[in-house]
Amino acid sequence: EDQVTQSPEALRLQEGESSSLNCSYTVSGLRGLFWYRQDPGKGPEFLFTLYSAGEEKEKERLKATLTKKESFLHITAPKPEDSATYLCAVQAAGSARQLTFGSGTQLTVLP
Amino acid sequence: NAGVTQTPKFQVLKTGQSMTLQCAQDMNHNSMYWYRQDPGMGLRLIYYSASEGTTDKGEVPNGYNVSRLNKREFSLRLESAAPSQTSVYFCASRDVNQPQHFGDGTRLSIL
Repeated sequence: EDQVTQSPEALRLQEGESSSLNCSYTVSGLRGLFWYRQDPGKGPEFLFTLYSAGEEKEKERLKATLTKKESFLHITAPKPEDSATYLCAVQAAGSARQLTFGSGTQLTVLP
Repeated sequence: NAGVTQTPKFQVLKTGQSMTLQCAQDMNHNSMYWYRQDPGMGLRLIYYSASEGTTDKGEVPNGYNVSRLNKREFSLRLESAAPSQTSVYFCASRDVNQPQHFGDGTRLSIL
């Protein structure tokens, strides 16, 4: 059974204080790992897809990395507008359509 | 661009009542999905439709039915609502080898 565990559950940072969110996964052959951002009262918004160990993707203050067992979402010099819940999901090689989601990390960036 | 539109945004039902949640996408995507999101549990797949005319069960299908009305629309029906179905419901769609795009959800309370 595919599993995704995200840590920490919640993280409070001061503006400008860099940190990382973790996504550990167990999957029978990884087809893709996805990062989403979710604001209160909204649906998840796509950020990145990673396909193989060693791959990295960047967007503004966010950088996602992937190993064979986990992914990190690095946040550099965060701003209050980066406050959101960040979701990680995996797609198994044998499941072309289904995603397994973690429960998310709620990030709060204080001014 | 509207993307994925869900109606209604909020609904309160009594136990035993029935209702249909509507979802429409304007991106010409083949695949559509219904998820539920509960605190601390992440998004869980209820049903999905790989293409017009096909539907398949996801992780938590009991108590739900779906209809893929046409390529644009995918509805979720609760025949006899139960308090355990209180949740936030999200619809998503995707194109081949692309990430899923989500609507903003329907917040459903069952008393």
